Amino acid sequence: SAVISQKPSRDICQRGTSLTIQCQVDSQVTMMFWYRQQPGQSLTLIATANQGSEATYESGFVIDKFPISRPNLTFSTLTVSNMSPEDSSIYLCSVDPRTGYTFGSGTRLTVV
Amino acid sequence: QKEVEQNSGPLSVPEGAIASLNCTYSDRGSQSFFWYRQYSGKSPELIMFIYSNGDKEDGRFTAQLNKASQYVSLLIRDSQPSDSATYLCAVNDVTGGGNKLTFGTGTQLKVEL
Repeated sequence: SAVISQKPSRDICQRGTSLTIQCQVDSQVTMMFWYRQQPGQSLTLIATANQGSEATYESGFVIDKFPISRPNLTFSTLTVSNMSPEDSSIYLCSVDPRTGYTFGSGTRLTVV
Repeated sequence: QKEVEQNSGPLSVPEGAIASLNCTYSDRGSQSFFWYRQYSGKSPELIMFIYSNGDKEDGRFTAQLNKASQYVSLLIRDSQPSDSATYLCAVNDVTGGGNKLTFGTGTQLKVEL
């Protein structure tokens, strides 16, 4: 299965600032997915990122708040913009290597 | 709204017993089904996936799928304390040409000595 390196692993940020999370995959993948996991809850899909096209956002998530880049088949970034305490969550990237979706190690974000 | 339902638990089983985790889903068009294990503070790790009706075994784990009844289950034989974690059921949604997962809320499993 694909190996995903995600960074940073955690960060504490001031409200109103932005944080960019990076995911690097050890193989080329068509789709990358960004999830949010709020404390004590399950995973919620933020958006799907395909290389060469704009990301597709799920209901409740917008590009201005969560801009995504996908410059090539092994890399993607998610930015959490203009952060508020409600954005405190774990953010995870995932890929579909056709044999099961694997996840990065996650970014634990705390907004103060 | 496509839904994936799981009992949140906790489900407590003694060491060495069989743990049975269940999941139901609302979308009859769902094609593939995944079980993940998530330890506290860690990201989900894939245990196994299943596409076809029936059973699929991998070591101590068996996934069972019944599309007619829209449920999928995970059996863990000879449960160990290290199996204590939250187990997430996920269903593949391919509508609109996409290929994404919808997750249940997870079942917390506690394996007691």
